[in-house]
Amino acid sequence: QKEVEQNSGPLSVPEGAIASLNCTYSDRGSQSFFWYRQYSGKSPELIMFIYSNGDKEDGRFTAQLNKASQYVSLLIRDSQPSDSATYLCAVGTSDYGGSQGNLIFGKGTKLSVKP
Amino acid sequence: DTEVTQTPKHLVMGMTNKKSLKCEQHMGHRAMYWYKQKAKKPPELMFVYSYEKLSINESVPSRFSPECPNSSLLNLHLHALQPEDSALYLCASSQVATRGETQYFGPGTRLLVL
Repeated sequence: QKEVEQNSGPLSVPEGAIASLNCTYSDRGSQSFFWYRQYSGKSPELIMFIYSNGDKEDGRFTAQLNKASQYVSLLIRDSQPSDSATYLCAVGTSDYGGSQGNLIFGKGTKLSVKP
Repeated sequence: DTEVTQTPKHLVMGMTNKKSLKCEQHMGHRAMYWYKQKAKKPPELMFVYSYEKLSINESVPSRFSPECPNSSLLNLHLHALQPEDSALYLCASSQVATRGETQYFGPGTRLLVL
């Protein structure tokens, strides 16, 4: 069973702080990793994707990938109250057509940024 | 442009009704997906269409019937649903359906079955 694990939270950080969201996955053959943000009652919105080990930065967001540890994280710098949402980690499966489809989602981490 | 559109935004139906959900994308993507999402849960894959052919059906009950009329459109026909089918139904698309391509989600249809 291929799995993606996230701490469900809630993770509470003060405005202006760095929020760190973590995700582990079980399929060692996975090659693609995604972070989606989902506001309550809305659909998931792609924040970042990462394919290679290391860091990838986009504005206030940094994705970090360590394939050896099967670990991916998302850092949000200068957190704002508008960042308050559930963050879904999704991992591309290593085999097309598997029973899990081609993206496996974690259960999401709820982030709350306090003014 | 990474827009996927879905209609209707909200739908209320009785258990004997027949209704359809529609999804459209104009990004030239050749893979389209239906997901079901219950409150406080991650999206749950239902169907995958690749090049207008159904490639994955995640053991979804036959009261849900997908259709892909062309590469830009995806429908989900609903018949004789149960109250437990109430959920947010999400459509997504990606360039192709291999090895975890980036998927872009539509805004969803919130379905309530009475």
